[in-house]
Amino acid sequence: SQQGEEDPQALSIQEGENATMNCSYKTSINNLQWYRQNSGRGLVHLILIRSNEREKHSGRLRVTLDTSKKSSSLLITASRAADTASYFCATDLNSGGGADGLTFGKGTHLIIQP
Amino acid sequence: DVKVTQSSRYLVKRTGEKVFLECVQDMDHENMFWYRQDPGLGLRLIYFSYDVKMKEKGDIPEGYSVSREKKERFSLILESASTNQTSMYLCASNIGLDTQYFGPGTRLTVL
Repeated sequence: SQQGEEDPQALSIQEGENATMNCSYKTSINNLQWYRQNSGRGLVHLILIRSNEREKHSGRLRVTLDTSKKSSSLLITASRAADTASYFCATDLNSGGGADGLTFGKGTHLIIQP
Repeated sequence: DVKVTQSSRYLVKRTGEKVFLECVQDMDHENMFWYRQDPGLGLRLIYFSYDVKMKEKGDIPEGYSVSREKKERFSLILESASTNQTSMYLCASNIGLDTQYFGPGTRLTVL
């Protein structure tokens, strides 16, 4: 079943602008992760935020997590053409122990116009 | 750096064939995962394994089986390939609940 849902499905901005993507999920989580996928390639991990964290930074990336609203956002500042990709949020369900697979949203396709 | 490799980038098979997709990781990760990715459906978990010879069904295990005889290797098996199994297959590994590291993917076409 789909746990995470990204919004918007597609986003096109000018180079240098900031890009914001949102993710909503349904059940309690251990952590939430954001991944990037360039066309036809594997996924690259960007950032992991744990359920007891509210904000995290990594370079030009800023992720927020609001567990009360079951939502997260990914902000990419000062976008570059190389940021063109699909971005996925993934949740690791709080299943009480052990490792489970991640549940992914359908992704936001980001296009950076030069 | 963690490295997850998959045996083929592209694969073309015929309906009814038995298909093996291999995944190897070099970081001694205990957990390994197989996903498929389809347009409009995102990534969906097929099977995962948290130890050698252990396996757990994911969201869409029907038509697939897996094998984990060694810690570093996790195989996905399509017993009798069908056209609706045409997809991109992604393998991943991790420790505990941490970041999953993905391979480059295998694009399988079943004719």
